[in-house]
Amino acid sequence: TQLLEQSPQFLSIQEGENLTVYCNSSSVFSSLQWYRQEPGEGPVLLVTVVTGGEVKKLKRLTFQFGDARKDSSLHITAAQTGDTGLYLCAGGRNSGYALNFGKGTSLLVTP
Amino acid sequence: EAGVTQFPSHSVIEKGQTVTLRCDPISGHDNLYWYRRVMGKEIKFLLHFVKESKQDESGMPNNRFLAERTGGTYSTLKVQPAELEDSGVYFCASSQRWSPGNTIYFGEGSWLTVV
Repeated sequence: TQLLEQSPQFLSIQEGENLTVYCNSSSVFSSLQWYRQEPGEGPVLLVTVVTGGEVKKLKRLTFQFGDARKDSSLHITAAQTGDTGLYLCAGGRNSGYALNFGKGTSLLVTP
Repeated sequence: EAGVTQFPSHSVIEKGQTVTLRCDPISGHDNLYWYRRVMGKEIKFLLHFVKESKQDESGMPNNRFLAERTGGTYSTLKVQPAELEDSGVYFCASSQRWSPGNTIYFGEGSWLTVV
């Protein structure tokens, strides 16, 4: 059973457009992390959110953790070709050591 | 500072053979994790070491998989005998400490194809 559902699965947009990707679950997580993965590389951590309702900004990226700590979103403003990649969300729990990953959103930004 | 390194980066083996994957964590990181992603699925947790001790091995799929971390430095993950469904990318990761939201650093992965 997959705990975290990410949507959309694929997204192709042009440079300058805005986009939002979602990470949803019926389970509560103590923390939610967003990673970006490029071909041939491992996931690289972008941000961690731990408080319900928390919003974090990383340049043009805005991350939000849902009030109930069951869902999260990643918004990218004015996308650039360098934003192309696979965006993964991963939830952690206090009760265990495992990160539960979603399948990811594959983003392609074209010039 | 060197990141998490994994070897081999790619391997192709026949069903029934044995493969051993190696992971060198970031120096000083006591926590070492193995994850894998099979085709079409999400990345899944396999196990977690703290130094040389297995802290959580709840994600290991079956007894064909054996992970070790002798001396608390590098780790190996052996698959014996390999089956077709073992094909995928095996990621190793490490962190200084474990806590919710702690930064975990992933290696580039070892691609395993079983034919």
